[in-house]
Amino acid sequence: AQTVTQSQPEMSVQEAETVTLSCTYDTSESDYYLFWYKQPPSRQMILVIRQEAYKQQNATENRFSVNFQKAAKSFSLKISDSQLGDAAMYFCAYRKGFGTASKLTFGTGTRLQVTL
Amino acid sequence: KAGVTQTPRYLIKTRGQQVTLSCSPISGHRSVSWYQQTPGQGLQFLFEYFSETQRNKGNFPGRFSGRQFSNSRSEMNVSTLELGDSALYLCASSLALAGDLDTQYFGPGTRLTVL
Repeated sequence: AQTVTQSQPEMSVQEAETVTLSCTYDTSESDYYLFWYKQPPSRQMILVIRQEAYKQQNATENRFSVNFQKAAKSFSLKISDSQLGDAAMYFCAYRKGFGTASKLTFGTGTRLQVTL
Repeated sequence: KAGVTQTPRYLIKTRGQQVTLSCSPISGHRSVSWYQQTPGQGLQFLFEYFSETQRNKGNFPGRFSGRQFSNSRSEMNVSTLELGDSALYLCASSLALAGDLDTQYFGPGTRLTVL
């Protein structure tokens, strides 16, 4: 069974600084997708960024980027120029490749605090 | 385009009762998945529906059931409620097409409290 591990329960970053959230996963599949979702206090789960395993290039979305190390099964999220609105729970998630059921397996989450 | 909507947003029930939660996916999305979120167990997959058929099921007792209608709207039902069923229930929809088009987008959730 696939597992997703987030070893940092809490992280803190100052506004305008950069922070990296860690995620490792375990799978025997070769085709899969990885995601970072953000859950602010409103509890709405918001997609931050996604990465296809077959793509070697790391995904980037504005201030958010990932460091995808397939051999090491590592998928970290870097947030640059942190803003107060980035404060939230961040979940790393895994899904098998298309053609199978779309079940997401989540990590336990990292709570990110952003300070002035 | 409207996002995923869930109703009701909050619900209080007592043990032994049953409850039905509703989810309307993003227009055009064909797959609906349900997740349970609790402080102790985190986010756990309940089931997924595609074209009115359950395509995958998580490790939950038979008290948890669901269905999907022809317009892709989905409902989940929990019978004989237990205290441990208190949770945030999240619904997610996707186009269920290849690649990026299979990304799941979540609704705001239904907060269920069982007394």
